[in-house]
Amino acid sequence: KQEVTQIPAALSVPEGENLVLNCSFTDSAIYNLQWFRQDPGKGLTSLLLIQSSQREQTSGRLNASLDKSSGRSTLYIAASQPGDSATYLCAGGGWDTDKLIFGTGTRLQVFP
Amino acid sequence: SAVISQKPSRDICQRGTSLTIQCQVDSQVTMMFWYRQQPGQSLTLIATANQGSEATYESGFVIDKFPISRPNLTFSTLTVSNMSPEDSSIYLCSVNGAAGGADTQYFGPGTRLTVL
Repeated sequence: KQEVTQIPAALSVPEGENLVLNCSFTDSAIYNLQWFRQDPGKGLTSLLLIQSSQREQTSGRLNASLDKSSGRSTLYIAASQPGDSATYLCAGGGWDTDKLIFGTGTRLQVFP
Repeated sequence: SAVISQKPSRDICQRGTSLTIQCQVDSQVTMMFWYRQQPGQSLTLIATANQGSEATYESGFVIDKFPISRPNLTFSTLTVSNMSPEDSSIYLCSVNGAAGGADTQYFGPGTRLTVL
């Protein structure tokens, strides 16, 4: 059974810092790994999708990597801004289904 | 991409009653997913809803408690039956942008349910 864990659970940093959020999964037979952002009282916004055949994906100040052999994914946020404050969730997708197993989330606060 | 709407956006219900949540997608999709997010927790998949067949429920969730309808390729409902305060959560529906995990999953804005 796939289990997904994220560390740290919460993070508070000053504006401008570069950040790394970690995601670990127990089953390396993962089809894709997705990172989402959730703002309070709102649904989820997709940030990056990494297919199993890929190593990383980039979008603006965000870079996500995937290492299936070690069961890890990282989300790198460059030059953090107060607008980045949100909860970040990673989720793994299996081979035989499109359903996602979500991590525990990292609650990020970036202060001015 | 897919745009998803949910109704209601929030509700406060009495113990023992039932609430039906609607999910509408702006395009035809094969599978729709229903998730629950309990306070302070991450998302947990309740069931997968395919058009024309019975929903597939995850461990810990049963049809009698969470009946699901999927009458067509753009719409689904989730009913939370005989509610108790433990059912207070955000309920989200989602779809895949493309089958086989080739695209990201899109989520509705969620329905925030409070059971008194």
